[in-house]
Amino acid sequence: KNEVEQSPQNLTAQEGEFITINCSYSVGISALHWLQQHPGGGIVSLFMLSSGKKKHGRLIATINIQEKHSSLHITASHPRDSAVYICALISSGSARQLTFGSGTQLTVLP
Amino acid sequence: GAGVSQSPSNKVTEKGKDVELRCDPISGHTALYWYRQRLGQGLEFLIYFQGNSAPDKSGLPSDRFSAERTGESVSTLTIQRTQQEDSAVYLCASSLVTAGNTIYFGEGSWLTVV
Repeated sequence: KNEVEQSPQNLTAQEGEFITINCSYSVGISALHWLQQHPGGGIVSLFMLSSGKKKHGRLIATINIQEKHSSLHITASHPRDSAVYICALISSGSARQLTFGSGTQLTVLP
Repeated sequence: GAGVSQSPSNKVTEKGKDVELRCDPISGHTALYWYRQRLGQGLEFLIYFQGNSAPDKSGLPSDRFSAERTGESVSTLTIQRTQQEDSAVYLCASSLVTAGNTIYFGEGSWLTVV
């Protein structure tokens, strides 16, 4: 079993829809990142979470440490949100490397 | 610089040749990471540098891969005797201290081995 599981793998939505991407993990963590990778390959860090909830514009990220689960929400989705969203975690006691989920390919149709 | 800078952005090389990829992290970032992403696949950890500590090389796929970092500045990833399976985008990232801080990625170096 992978340490990090993302769902769904692919998601197609209509513009304006509320989107949720989920990330579950099986190890203790010190923090979790949500990353966005655009078709050209560039990666942007959206959030770094160790507890609770963070909001930036139309993006909201939540994490439940007890349940080992995090979600990324996009409100009022737009075609420019189309990208691969990746959760990546830092295991407790190891700040040395990120463990990546397999990513969620999001396509938002106009 | 303002962001993580990588060069070259694209490299086409013949099988068997050596290549060097360069990463210039954000000034003051002590942690530097190299990742690889093959076409259609996820990100793979290669190597991690943290200040003057011994690097974590546990992700390097073979002894043809090596990386160096001078102090807390530029890093180079060297691939010797390149093979076609080395074709990938090589991404560098840096963070202030550890991965518990926000991580900033470069645009990547696209390597094609023909």
